[in-house]
This record gives sequence, structure tokens and C-alpha cells, in this order.
Amino acid sequence: DVKVTQSSRYLVKRTGEKVFLECVQDMDHENMFWYRQDPGLGLRLIYFSYDVKMKEKGDIPEGYSVSREKKERFSLILESASTNQTSMYLCASSLARYEQYFGPGTRLTVT
Amino acid sequence: AQSVTQLDSQVPVFEEAPVELRCNYSSSVSVYLFWYVQYPNQGLQLLLKYLSGSTLVKGINGFEAEFNKSQTSFHLRKPSVHISDTAEYFCAVGSQGGSEKLVFGKGTKLTVNP
Repeated sequence: DVKVTQSSRYLVKRTGEKVFLECVQDMDHENMFWYRQDPGLGLRLIYFSYDVKMKEKGDIPEGYSVSREKKERFSLILESASTNQTSMYLCASSLARYEQYFGPGTRLTVT
Repeated sequence: AQSVTQLDSQVPVFEEAPVELRCNYSSSVSVYLFWYVQYPNQGLQLLLKYLSGSTLVKGINGFEAEFNKSQTSFHLRKPSVHISDTAEYFCAVGSQGGSEKLVFGKGTKLTVNP
């Protein structure tokens, strides 16, 4: 079974803090994705990576950056957290042909 | 550019009734189509996918979907639902030969009542 794990299920941070969300997959997938999920808006792609050190902006990259130093790990970084970044963050990975496998999500609250 | 419209944001049904969750997409190229399910406080799980071939696709938990190219639809159906099917369902589209990205619909909350 493919396993995608995220470092935290729940996280509370203060405005202005630098926040790191970690995602690890164990199936040697090339592609990894970060989404945020908000009620009524569905899933919106923040960034994705198609290889180590390769990344591409998604639909809402502002305020976020990413890092992929190893194939199995994809990190999402909030450089200076703001209250409008309070959300559920979902990581996913895929090998090919779009079938994405999702982690359990991190619910981030910025106060 | 692609887009996905899930026509109902909420669908309440009674246990053992049939259900259809509607999904329409827009794309200028050939597509792949997916349905995912999200149970409370969990990530998304793949229900079924259409890549090519037969337009009727069967998935897990008794769900099926039919790809209709002329109507650009990919509706999800189940003939008899259980309480445990209560969840949020997402339709997603990707383009053949293009980027690995998927575009997701906004979701349909299915509530199965006893």
C-alpha cells in the first residue's frame, strides 16, 4: 500500500511565524503536490514537484514556498504565517497517469 | 484550461436508496477523470478512475461512474447507499499528454440518513 504521511495532524502557530509542513511518501513517486482545502472551495493546488529540486507553481502559490531535496520528501513553507492561511493542508504523490495518493492532512490554525 | 463543476454541494438520501452525484467538466483536450472520497478528518481516497476504454467504470464500495464525452459528464452512482457512505466526494480531471496536475471540483457532501 502506498503511504503518504504528514508531520502533524494539527498545528497552531502565531502570525508572522515561519511554518514548515512536511510530507513523506514511501513509494518512490516522482510527483508530489501540496493543496489547501477550504469549505466551499474544494482543493486548490499550491505547488507541485515532478522531480528532486524541481517545482512548479500551482494556482495559489503566494505566501508559500516549497523544498524537495530528496525524492520521498516534499516540504511546504509558510514564510510568515498569516490568519488567512488557516486551512487544511493536504499532501499527495503520484507515479504517473494522475492517480494521486493523499496524506491524512494537517489542520493549521494561525492566530 | 480545464474546469470541473459538481452540480450539487449537498445531497441527503435515505439508507438503501440509490444516489447519483453529478460532475461536469470542461476541457479542450482528451481527459482522465477521477472520483475521490473524503471521510471526516481524513485525506482523500481514490474511488474510481477513467483513463480510456469502457465508459462504465466500477470502483470500490459498490460505486460506479459513466464517462459521457458528448455531455462532458462523469456522474457517480450507487444503487443502494449505507450510512457509512456519508462523506464528501470530489470529482477531478486531468489532461492526457499534459501536466500531471489535476483540477478538482468543489465537492459534494453526501449524507445518508437512517
